[in-house]
Amino acid sequence: NAGVTQTPKFQVLKTGQSMTLQCAQDMNHEYMSWYRQDPGMGLRLIHYSVGAGITDQGEVPNGYNVSRSTTEDFPLRLLSAAPSQTSVYFCASSLRRQRNYGYTFGSGTRLTVV
Amino acid sequence: TQLLKQSPQFLSIQEGENLTVYCNSSSVFSSLQWYRQEPGEGPVLLVTVVTGGEVKKLKRLTFQFGDARKDSSLHITAAQPGDTGLYLCASAYSGAGSYQLTFGKGTKLSVIP
Repeated sequence: NAGVTQTPKFQVLKTGQSMTLQCAQDMNHEYMSWYRQDPGMGLRLIHYSVGAGITDQGEVPNGYNVSRSTTEDFPLRLLSAAPSQTSVYFCASSLRRQRNYGYTFGSGTRLTVV
Repeated sequence: TQLLKQSPQFLSIQEGENLTVYCNSSSVFSSLQWYRQEPGEGPVLLVTVVTGGEVKKLKRLTFQFGDARKDSSLHITAAQPGDTGLYLCASAYSGAGSYQLTFGKGTKLSVIP
């Protein structure tokens, strides 16, 4: 089925380790973004991209890097994992970067940093 | 960035009851979206409203956008256990030539059979 695919579904990291969360969409969406969801905090924007080769920071970018070499893929890199990065991470995409277009979300990656 | 306040935070009702949840802001929305999120899954878009006073219906769900575009409500008629989930509102705001979505913290709905 078409949509946003996130891998892995679950991950446990030790403090200081690095890893990449994968996100791919097959809908030819222009806009992609990463959110983290924490209890009591809601969904907060980490990074976003308006097209291949273009990325920008969101509300909580520290400790994360992104790149967008193709329209389809938008990986999120944790440089040196910290317990504060324990969260559920969602990738989302939208056809256009305009207010009338809704987001399609992946099913999330649940990350625990110990 | 707009701050979105959703109420109530939690709601537990019996199957067959009606309910309304709210989304409010001190700023004017350029547009408003409602999502439903089930446990272990990502949010799923229910509706987008852009015009003040707009009303949209999706089966038993009725979405209303306030005339002043500062508030929105979601009304569910005859709730069913399948309606259980986290209901999120999200508002678009402009930044650096593109729009971003800011999410409220959600209303967690439990429908008891």
